[in-house]
Amino acid sequence: DAGVIQSPRHEVTEMGQEVTLRCKPISGHNSLFWYRQTMMRGLELLIYFNNNVPIDDSGMPEDRFSAKMPNASFSTLKIQPSEPRDSAVYFCASSSSQGGNTEAFFGQGTRLTVV
Amino acid sequence: ELKVEQNPLFLSMQEGKNYTIYCNYSTTSDRLYWYRQDPGKSLESLFVLLSNGAVKQEGRLMASLDTKARLSTLHITAAVHDLSATYFCAVSIYNQGGKLIFGQGTELSVKP
Repeated sequence: DAGVIQSPRHEVTEMGQEVTLRCKPISGHNSLFWYRQTMMRGLELLIYFNNNVPIDDSGMPEDRFSAKMPNASFSTLKIQPSEPRDSAVYFCASSSSQGGNTEAFFGQGTRLTVV
Repeated sequence: ELKVEQNPLFLSMQEGKNYTIYCNYSTTSDRLYWYRQDPGKSLESLFVLLSNGAVKQEGRLMASLDTKARLSTLHITAAVHDLSATYFCAVSIYNQGGKLIFGQGTELSVKP
């Protein structure tokens, strides 16, 4: 398996624009996590899905952020409108609860810069 | 609310020395993980600890778990420069769908 695949790897956008980050989890994994990493706040869990259903979105900073998982092999994180304080590295991770081992595997991340 | 706290947050070591990173968490958890992150890179899984008293070792790193104390340790033996990275512990809660919460990370720098 190619692992968790995120796109784009880098995104530079102007304030006010819509940004969509994409994630393809590892095939067969049934949990998917979106994290944001900044120097100030570390790794923050934004939202996670179990079997394509959002379980906990309490980490989503505000209404400008939304996430979807229309099927088991694809998820998006959208920011609209984007602001400079959204600049961060966004990671997607997936895991499997089969067999009790929920080790999460991370994608390479999307480095977002909002100017 | 589950909180995961690591200490120290920064650690500068000399090669050949031993040290321990601590990870405390605030509520009952099913499993504990240790990850490594190199600068500008993603997170790499190091260890998965599933039960009280679990101990795992890989090279110069050894992780242990005490669920009663809600404490995990990552012990570094005879550090080498290649171990320089940021180390994270993370805790999952099974009855919350496997929600995975990370500590702040410990930035380790091993100097010759």
